[in-house]
Parts: sequence; structure tokens; C-alpha cells
Amino acid sequence: AQSVTQLGSHVSVSEGALVLLRCNYSSSVPPYLFWYVQYPNQGLQLLLKYTSAATLVKGINGFEAEFKKSETSFHLTKPSAHMSDAAEYFCAVSEDYGGSQGNLIFGKGTKLSVKP
Amino acid sequence: DAMVIQNPRYQVTQFGKPVTLSCSQTLNHNVMYWYQQKSSQAPKLLFHYYDKDFNNEADTPDNFQSRRPNTSFCFLDIRSPGLGDAAMYLCATSRETSGIAKNIQYFGAGTRLSVL
Repeated sequence: AQSVTQLGSHVSVSEGALVLLRCNYSSSVPPYLFWYVQYPNQGLQLLLKYTSAATLVKGINGFEAEFKKSETSFHLTKPSAHMSDAAEYFCAVSEDYGGSQGNLIFGKGTKLSVKP
Repeated sequence: DAMVIQNPRYQVTQFGKPVTLSCSQTLNHNVMYWYQQKSSQAPKLLFHYYDKDFNNEADTPDNFQSRRPNTSFCFLDIRSPGLGDAAMYLCATSRETSGIAKNIQYFGAGTRLSVL
């Protein structure tokens, strides 16, 4: 069974500092991996996705994530935090059944705060 | 240019009083999803429609029903809301149910339901 673990329910960084949000997954078959962002009182927006092509994935708003199979990780990073990055971030996994995908399974989310 | 629209944004209902939440989309996507998101938790899939085909998750209570009268609209009906049903309800769409497009989901802003 697939699952997602996000380490740290709340991360706080200073503006201009590195952002690192951790995600580890469990999957018995090759996974597809996603990061979604949720701003206050909004729905989720896709940041980036991993689909078994390049292991380093670039997304919107300067975010990127690296798929590391040996570590079963898909951590999200941004070199320099901006105040507008304050939001909740969800890692999600779905399983590849040879062309058919399972449903999205979300992690519990990490709330990112950015201090001036 | 909102693509997935949920109405209302905030809904208050009384314990046991039926309530309906609405979702519409301008993307002409085949698939529409309903998620429940409780405070500080991950979104949990309740069910989805592929065109007119309804797919219920195994652990979705019978109290939750859905209707999709046409491609653009989908409704979530809660027949007898309990206090534990207070949550954010998210509607999402995707173009397909297979391939990576399945899990590139577009979310509405959500309806926050309170049960008194």
C-alpha cells in the first residue's frame, strides 16, 4: 500500500533563506509524485510532478524537487524564500499500474511560515 | 478566469439538516472529484465521477452522496450532517482517469462547512 510521510507539520524560515520541505513515500510499484500548495482559504494548486523522466523536477514559483529512489524521498526546495511562499504544502503519490494510475494519496501537509 | 468554482465558500447547517454543496468547471474535464479535508489533515477522497460513472471510495459513509447532472456540474449531498462532518470540502477535476493526466488535478477554492 502506498503512503506519504511529510516530516515536520510546521516549518519556519526567514525571507531569503533556503526552503526545504521533506517528503518520503512508500510504494510497491513505480510511483508518480506530486507537490501541491494550498494558500489560506484556497484549493490546492499543482507545484510540480515527477513522472519517471528526469529525477530533478522544476516547478512553478522557483520550487524544485528531486526524486531519490534509494532514499524513497521527494523533498521540495527553493533557494530563497519569499513572503508570498507562506502556505501549506502537500506531497502526494500515486502508483503506476502500467499506464493506469491509482488515486492520489496525500501527506498530512507542512505549513510554511516566512519571517521578514 | 476561475476554472473550478465552488459555491458557497462558507456553509453553515444544523445537525441533521440536509445540505448540498456545488461545484462547476469550465475545463470540460471528464473527471470530477470530491475530497473532505479536516483541519490540519490531508485531503481525503470521497468519490469521483468519470463522465456519468460514479466511483465511491470504500470507506466513504453512506451519508455522503453525489450527483453529476452534466459535464460541468457536480453536487455533494450530505443527508444528515453530524458534528464530525464539519470540514473543508474540495472539488477537483482532471482530464482523464488514466495516464499522468489523471492526477494533474485542478482544485476549486473549497467550501468550508460548519455544523451547529
